[in-house]
Amino acid sequence: KNQVEQSPQSLIILEGKNCTLQCNYTVSPFSNLRWYKQDTGRGPVSLTIMTFSENTKSNGRYTATLDADTKQSSLHITASQLSDSASYICVVSPKAAGNKLTFGGGTRVLVKP
Amino acid sequence: DTAVSQTPKYLVTQMGNDKSIKCEQNLGHDTMYWYKQDSKKFLKIMFSYNNKELIINETVPNRFSPKSPDKAHLNLHINSLELGDSAVYFCASSNSGSRSYNEQFFGPGTRLTVL
Repeated sequence: KNQVEQSPQSLIILEGKNCTLQCNYTVSPFSNLRWYKQDTGRGPVSLTIMTFSENTKSNGRYTATLDADTKQSSLHITASQLSDSASYICVVSPKAAGNKLTFGGGTRVLVKP
Repeated sequence: DTAVSQTPKYLVTQMGNDKSIKCEQNLGHDTMYWYKQDSKKFLKIMFSYNNKELIINETVPNRFSPKSPDKAHLNLHINSLELGDSAVYFCASSNSGSRSYNEQFFGPGTRLTVL
């Protein structure tokens, strides 16, 4: 069964600090992996998309890494801001799945001043 | 100017009622989706339509019936609402072109509460 597991479930960090979120998946064969940011009361918004051949991708202060061999990904947030408070969802797209994505449960990040 | 819009944003109704949620996208995408996000925050695909044709239909009670009058619209009708239907429902859209990674753009969600 295709699964995506994220850790930690939640974390609190001080403004200006860095943090790293983890994602492990069992989806195979694998097409691409995405990280979404979901603000409270809103729909998810894409941060990064990586294919199996990419190791890292950045979007401003967000940097995602991918190790397709160990089926792990991470999302690093640099110099956190209050607006980074949100849920971050790891999403994996299997090959030939008709656009059917597998979602992780998300990591809820709270940035405190 | 919202890319994917849903109405209503909030819906509170009694058990047993029938209700509809509407979704529209102005991105020119050819594929639209309905997701359910439960209290544990997992997003689960319910339905997907490509060019008005149903392509994904997960194990969803047949009380849920999607309808796509055109590529830009995908509505969700729910009959005989149950307490367990309470959740946030998200509409999304994407292009099926090979260079797009089928990136999905989500609407703001509809929070359904069944009393």
